[in-house]
Formats: sequence, structure tokens, C-alpha cells
Amino acid sequence: AQRVTQPEKLLSVFKGAPVELKCNYSYSGSPELFWYVQYSRQRLQLLLRHISRESIKGFTADLNKGETSFHLKKPFAQEEDSAMYYCALRLQGAQKLVFGQGTRLTINP
Amino acid sequence: DAGITQSPRHKVTETGTPVTLRCHQTENHRYMYWYRQDPGHGLRLIHYSYGVKDTDKGEVSDGYSVSRSKTEDFLLTLESATSSQTSVYFCAISAGQGGYEQYFGPGTRLTVT
Repeated sequence: AQRVTQPEKLLSVFKGAPVELKCNYSYSGSPELFWYVQYSRQRLQLLLRHISRESIKGFTADLNKGETSFHLKKPFAQEEDSAMYYCALRLQGAQKLVFGQGTRLTINP
Repeated sequence: DAGITQSPRHKVTETGTPVTLRCHQTENHRYMYWYRQDPGHGLRLIHYSYGVKDTDKGEVSDGYSVSRSKTEDFLLTLESATSSQTSVYFCAISAGQGGYEQYFGPGTRLTVT
């Protein structure tokens, strides 16, 4: 079955430190991966899509098909990065997304 | 915000009562979705719609029904609310490159007592 796993429910790092949020997926087809972010009291918003290969707010993510991972990275964390982050998988040929359980990131001053 | 609104934004109801949540969009998107968000479970798809009167079940559809009589409105109904349905409910639409990016509404916090 298709599955997205975010192994860390909570992640806390200091401002200026590197941050990596882990995402692993289980899917036999051709995956499309996304990262969504939800800041406090705001709606979920799209952060990254692997096809775009963009860097948004300093975050990057590389799809590693060999390791079935799509980890989100930022070299220098900022306090405004504190939020809930969700990794999501779109199945080939489908319009539905499968979400991971989410990681709550806290950046300490 | 892709023109997505949800109503009500907050609701408290009693066990056994019917509840309907509304999602409204202004940009004529074909696909609409209902999710619930729970700690430890992330977002789980309840139902989705791929056009007027065209709907399908998601992974947690038991106890929920949906209707879409107009492109702009997607209704989620809890026929007989239970405490396990206490959650935050999000509506979403598909848009963007290839139509595969989802954009979310502000959410409805539902408490069933």
C-alpha cells in the first residue's frame, strides 16, 4: 500500500542551525512528492514540489528514488520557520494525495 | 487562498446530531477534497469530487457523506455525529501546474460532545 512516513513528530533546533525534516514513502509507481507547511493559525500551503526543483524560503528537497525519500532541508533555520510540515505523495495517474503524519518544527532563539 | 472558504469555522454539536460543513470556491476548479486533521494521523482524505455530482470515497469515509450540486460548493455531512469525529476539517481544490497542486481552505474546527 502507498504510505508516507515522517518519523519525527517533533523537531527542535536552534536558530541558525541546519534543519532536516525526514520523509520516506512506499510506492511502486512513479511518485510525485510535495511538502506542505502550516503556520500557526493559518491554512496549509504548498511549500515545495519535487518536479519544480525550486527553493522556497531557503528550503530544498531532493527526491531520492533509491532510498524512497524526500527530505526537506534548510541550511540556516529561522524563527519564522516554526510550523507544522507535511510530506505528501501523489500517485501516478491520480488526483489524490497521501499525507504523512506531520512534523512540528520549533526553532529556538 | 485560491478563493476557498469554509463555513462554519467553528462548531460544537452533540453526539447523534447531523452536521453539514460547507466548502465554497470561486475559481471553477473541478476537483475538490475533504480532509480531517488529527494529531498523530496527519491529514486523511474523507471524500473527494471530480465534478458536479461526481464523488468518491477516501480512506476514512465511514460516517460521512458528501454532495456537490454546483461546481462551487462541496458539502460534507456527518449523518449522526460521534465524539470520534471531533477534528479539524479542511477542504481543498486542485490547481497549479498540471492541476496536481492542492490548495486548502482555512479549516473548520468541529467538537462533538
